[in-house]
Amino acid sequence: GENVEQHPSTLSVQEGDSAVIKCTYSDSASNYFPWYKQELGKRPQLIIDIRSNVGEKKDQRIAVTLNKTAKHFSLHITETQPEDSAVYFCAASKWGFKTIFGAGTRLFVKA
Amino acid sequence: GAVVSQHPSRVICKSGTSVKIECRSLDFQATTMFWYRQFPKQSLMLMATSNEGSKATYEQGVEKDKFLINHASLTLSTLTVTSAHPEDSSFYICSASLGEAQETQYFGPGTRLLVL
Repeated sequence: GENVEQHPSTLSVQEGDSAVIKCTYSDSASNYFPWYKQELGKRPQLIIDIRSNVGEKKDQRIAVTLNKTAKHFSLHITETQPEDSAVYFCAASKWGFKTIFGAGTRLFVKA
Repeated sequence: GAVVSQHPSRVICKSGTSVKIECRSLDFQATTMFWYRQFPKQSLMLMATSNEGSKATYEQGVEKDKFLINHASLTLSTLTVTSAHPEDSSFYICSASLGEAQETQYFGPGTRLLVL
């Protein structure tokens, strides 16, 4: 079945450094790729998303890139801050079908 | 916009009792709602997809008689954990999406269930 693999499972960076989280998906028909941030005990919240007709999207310190050929997409966070510490989930979906989530990456930003 | 509420936020119950969790879309009509279960330090496990006015679609391995889902209106879906047991203790999160594309999901705050 459809699968989304996410790496690394844990990432620790120094404040101010960049963080990169990578995901691969198996269903080539997937066309929507959201990223969610979940703080401890809280709900997941959408932070950025990208559609298959776009290769890159940026929103302030956050960017997402998509390589459809390789079925890879990545989240890039620049100038990390302690409040970026959370669990990040990538996901893939296609119109009318359920969203498949990655296993999550626990990001620690050390002050 | 796109706010989803969930009630209760936390519930403790005795083994054998049933617990109902409500999920509401406050400022939009949600054609589709989803119910997830999340274990500590793990990802979101989809339990079922709930469409207004029709039967829920359950994921493989999820007992539909154990986890009853009702989506009576475009703003409300309920999950009832029947005859709860300690192994049902978990964090249950609902989400809602706009339209049939089921793309962006807006999550509720979650319900922490503890069965004693």
